[in-house]
Amino acid sequence: QVQLVQSGAEVKKPGASVKVSCKASGYTFTSYAISWVRQAPGQGLEWMGWISAYNGNTNYAQKLQGRVTMTTDTSTSTAYMELRSLRSDDTAVYYCARIFSGYDSFDYWGQGTLVTVSS
Amino acid sequence: QSALTQPASVSGSPGQSITISCTGTSSDVGGYKYVSWYQQHPGKAPKLMIYDVSNRPSGVSNRFSGSKSGNTASLTISGLQAEDEGDYYCSSYTSSSTVVFGGGTKLTVL
Repeated sequence: QVQLVQSGAEVKKPGASVKVSCKASGYTFTSYAISWVRQAPGQGLEWMGWISAYNGNTNYAQKLQGRVTMTTDTSTSTAYMELRSLRSDDTAVYYCARIFSGYDSFDYWGQGTLVTVSS
Repeated sequence: QSALTQPASVSGSPGQSITISCTGTSSDVGGYKYVSWYQQHPGKAPKLMIYDVSNRPSGVSNRFSGSKSGNTASLTISGLQAEDEGDYYCSSYTSSSTVVFGGGTKLTVL
């Protein structure tokens, strides 16, 4: 069965960086792109970007350009999302999700990783 | 890219039908067949309910249906059940090759 398993919760200070992992299993990793979506406490979903697991092509949300990098390691079927220069408003649950059809349909999701940014 | 517009809340009684709207622009909802809907229960990851405007993934009840007219997409839930209560989000592909979500709608089953 398809599974996306994310790394554990993180607490970071403002200005630091965080790298969240998302290990995929149950399907051919390079056949699907991965998207990252975050959700601040009590707020809605925010799309962060996507990465092709086939060739590493990426596209990021404009507001995160320059601070976010998405990568994949096909040898371990793992996707990564690194966010730099963290601010308090980056506090959120970060999800990875497999892109199923088109560009915006995410059929399998990770369990979420809480990143807390606090001094 | 501004978020798609959804009503903050909707409610209905068991057995009734409800519709949640999702309004965007010709650069997102109106311009592409790529609109999806997600259900989210508290503390859980979102679940895909509708993709490509009107398609249901395997395992999703046929009580859920999607449609689109112009710049507005809609999710209809018929035969409302208690387990349908939760937050619902629409999403769309955009002309910038990005994805935008709606602000979310809280569904209450009375």
